[in-house]
Amino acid sequence: NAGVTQTPKFRILKIGQSMTLQCTQDMNHNYMYWYRQDPGMGLKLIYYSVGAGITDKGEVPNGYNVSRSTTEDFPLRLELAAPSQTSVYFCASSYNTPQGNEQFFGPGTRLTVL
Amino acid sequence: AQKITQTQPGMFVQEKEAVTLDCTYDTSDPSYGLFWYKQPSSGEMIFLIYQGSYDQQNATEGRYSLNFQKARKSANLVISASQLGDSAMYFCAMRETFGNEKLTFGTGTRLTIIP
Repeated sequence: NAGVTQTPKFRILKIGQSMTLQCTQDMNHNYMYWYRQDPGMGLKLIYYSVGAGITDKGEVPNGYNVSRSTTEDFPLRLELAAPSQTSVYFCASSYNTPQGNEQFFGPGTRLTVL
Repeated sequence: AQKITQTQPGMFVQEKEAVTLDCTYDTSDPSYGLFWYKQPSSGEMIFLIYQGSYDQQNATEGRYSLNFQKARKSANLVISASQLGDSAMYFCAMRETFGNEKLTFGTGTRLTIIP
């Protein structure tokens, strides 16, 4: 199992450009998440999905969009990039079980908007 | 109010000593889970330990244990016999309500192990 994979690892955008951060998991997890981590801070939830075709906003959704057409993929779209979106973006996935199900994280994408 | 509070921005600990990282939380949900993650300088998030709100015993995973004091709403991480490889950021996180898997993270504690 590759676990959770993210591409690209690094990206520099100019203000106003758009891009899609890719996230794929091969663990057949139903839940997937996008977080951002600003320097020296914890992670904040952008969007999440409880299954294919279902997405919902997290704490900081403005400026982002997501889709979940398959169980495996959960891309994050940035439209009209702004310097405030400079951050490290983490994708994660988990099962929904009664026990304490951990979230498995991808390696992150470091995005700089100039 | 902050849902997760980590009051120690940084800690320095001598190798082989035990260390306690503090975490307090705020929720009115009777069903919740508490997690600790480690983030080394390489940046990945590594799951360490989990405690459910209904668990009667404190969780343990190898050298990691979680000191869960429900009445005080605290979930401190204890690392026994610290090693140089324990130097990292440590994040406490909470999941509220079974079925809603969103995690709320604290701001983290940077732990540095001194040889």
